[in-house]
Amino acid sequence: DAGVIQSPRHEVTEMGQEVTLRCKPISGHNSLFWYRQTMMRGLELLIYFNNNVPIDDSGMPEDRFSAKMPNASFSTLKIQPSEPRDSAVYFCASSPPGTSGYNEQFFGPGTRLTVL
Amino acid sequence: AQTVTQSQPEMSVQEAETVTLSCTYDTSESNYYLFWYKQPPSRQMILVIRQEAYKQQNATENRFSVNFQKAAKSFSLKISDSQLGDTAMYFCAFMRDHTGTASKLTFGTGTRLQVTL
Repeated sequence: DAGVIQSPRHEVTEMGQEVTLRCKPISGHNSLFWYRQTMMRGLELLIYFNNNVPIDDSGMPEDRFSAKMPNASFSTLKIQPSEPRDSAVYFCASSPPGTSGYNEQFFGPGTRLTVL
Repeated sequence: AQTVTQSQPEMSVQEAETVTLSCTYDTSESNYYLFWYKQPPSRQMILVIRQEAYKQQNATENRFSVNFQKAAKSFSLKISDSQLGDTAMYFCAFMRDHTGTASKLTFGTGTRLQVTL
């Protein structure tokens, strides 16, 4: 079974350009998470969805960032306009449904974004 | 809000030796989960071990074990018989208990472990 799929794996863009990162969660999973990893701030949650509905977007840095999950098998994270400080590795993770107090999160390979 | 602290930015251990990575956390939650994730140079996030806060018994997974001290809010990872493939960044993480919906992971800043010959 395929894991979480992210595209592109690497993205280099110029300041001011729009960037769209894509994620396909594991089939059957109903929760999806976007994390960002930087040297300065480490790994931090940006937003997560449950059953395609955003639950917590308090980690989204500012209005330049937006995330959507139009269906259970696809999510996007968009940055418009991009800035050099957005350079980071962006991870998508998904977790299955369950009634217990814990559902393991499975991470994608990440997208390394460089904004020049 | 929860916080996770890893006070060792870097550590080194010789192959076949044992090393312990430290982690402390702060939370007002009574039910929660703690994790150690490994991130090798490939940057893939790999779950190493999980501990349920309501369990007194420390979790073990082959060469990996934890020392969970709930009162002290301490959660250290012990790697026995270290192997070159253990070289990676190790992140301690916290997740509050939840039912029905999901919950986020809160990560520490990581410890870079180098296993040497």
